[in-house]
Amino acid sequence: EPEVTQTPSHQVTQMGQEVILRCVPISNHLYFYWYRQILGQKVEFLVSFYNNEISEKSEIFDDQFSVERPDGSNFTLKIRSTKLEDSAMYFCASRGVRGNTEAFFGQGTRLTVV
Amino acid sequence: EDQVTQSPEALRLQEGESSSLNCSYTVSGLRGLFWYRQDPGKGPEFLFTLYSAGEEKEKERLKATLTKKESFLHITAPKPEDSATYLCAVHSPTGGFKTIFGAGTRLFVKA
Repeated sequence: EPEVTQTPSHQVTQMGQEVILRCVPISNHLYFYWYRQILGQKVEFLVSFYNNEISEKSEIFDDQFSVERPDGSNFTLKIRSTKLEDSAMYFCASRGVRGNTEAFFGQGTRLTVV
Repeated sequence: EDQVTQSPEALRLQEGESSSLNCSYTVSGLRGLFWYRQDPGKGPEFLFTLYSAGEEKEKERLKATLTKKESFLHITAPKPEDSATYLCAVHSPTGGFKTIFGAGTRLFVKA
């Protein structure tokens, strides 16, 4: 069964360092997303990406965040200068052709900023 | 503003004790209501999509129903392996079709 794959599963980084979280969405999907979940809190939307550009971004997704789809398969989230409060689980998701279909989520990357 | 509210926050059941989880939503033009299961440290796992009031979907011990204002996830004769957080979500009708999640109901099923 097709699945969304995320790497690494766990990343520890020093405050101020740059991190890149990687995702391989389901192959025929067209909509791509990043979400984050701080421990014990809701899953929160960060950004959506369609047709090689950002469709929507939340208030959380400020200038330190960027997304890229460098080739036909990978979808990355870059955090330029990490802060302690960026520590969270980051989930990638993808969705098929129609706008109202369900999104499928990866298993997440646990980011710990020390 | 689009909102999803789930209740109860936590639910403890004995094995075999059936119950229901509630999800109420406020969204300008429903484009699908979704139920996910989330195990600790894992990503949300898709369970059901409901599109219109009156619709029902079933999978093993779970049945999801939808009205104009809320959805229920009924759990019949639960087993310990059903213990997880159950998330309700809707799609925002804005351009990116982002998924808006509720805070979830943590279900504990004791043998």
